[in-house]
Amino acid sequence: DTAVSQTPKYLVTQMGNDKSIKCEQNLGHDTMYWYKQDSKKFLKIMFSYNNKELIINETVPNRFSPKSPDKAHLNLHINSLELGDSAVYFCASSQFLAGATDTQYFGPGTRLTVL
Amino acid sequence: SQQGEEDPQALSIQEGENATMNCSYKTSINNLQWYRQNSGRGLVHLILIRSNEREKHSGRLRVTLDTSKKSSSLLITASRAADTASYFCATDSISYNTDKLIFGTGTRLQVFP
Repeated sequence: DTAVSQTPKYLVTQMGNDKSIKCEQNLGHDTMYWYKQDSKKFLKIMFSYNNKELIINETVPNRFSPKSPDKAHLNLHINSLELGDSAVYFCASSQFLAGATDTQYFGPGTRLTVL
Repeated sequence: SQQGEEDPQALSIQEGENATMNCSYKTSINNLQWYRQNSGRGLVHLILIRSNEREKHSGRLRVTLDTSKKSSSLLITASRAADTASYFCATDSISYNTDKLIFGTGTRLQVFP
């Protein structure tokens, strides 16, 4: 069974479009995250949610809007896509709120390419 | 700003050899974690070491932590081709006072059969 799953795995789209990435975890964890990994493999946190409540918002452009309908799901909607949004986006989860002191479980990633 | 920096950026070795990767960070921490990322995959947690620990083992992995030098090392003994991956250290930060992991730049390890 996949612990943290993301869809789609690949997303190719034109500049200016709006797209969504979905994430689900079946681990029963309280906290979920979105990370962005750039072409140099640098991984940076974007958002974290704990029991549907936004905890971390790392000065991400407001074109990015996370939504957590329940604690097992965290979706990422991106408006007006730009070339610089091209990256691999990872969803992750951890059992407790203290994500930095807790093991995080990562999804397989969504490779977004903006043309 | 970035917390962890790995050294070397890339490492190539033969199967059976040991691989050592180093991580340096800038501010005081509560703990440090190491993750592995296979090509095209998500990160997988390897080991967590707390600031009051100096060394930790898990199978063929040995992690050390020197808080006075703000550095950690990951040693993989008797490497295998399957160890080929990127390895990242990640820290929390007392100074930043937020519950987030800050990842380093990663070391790309290539193990040749």
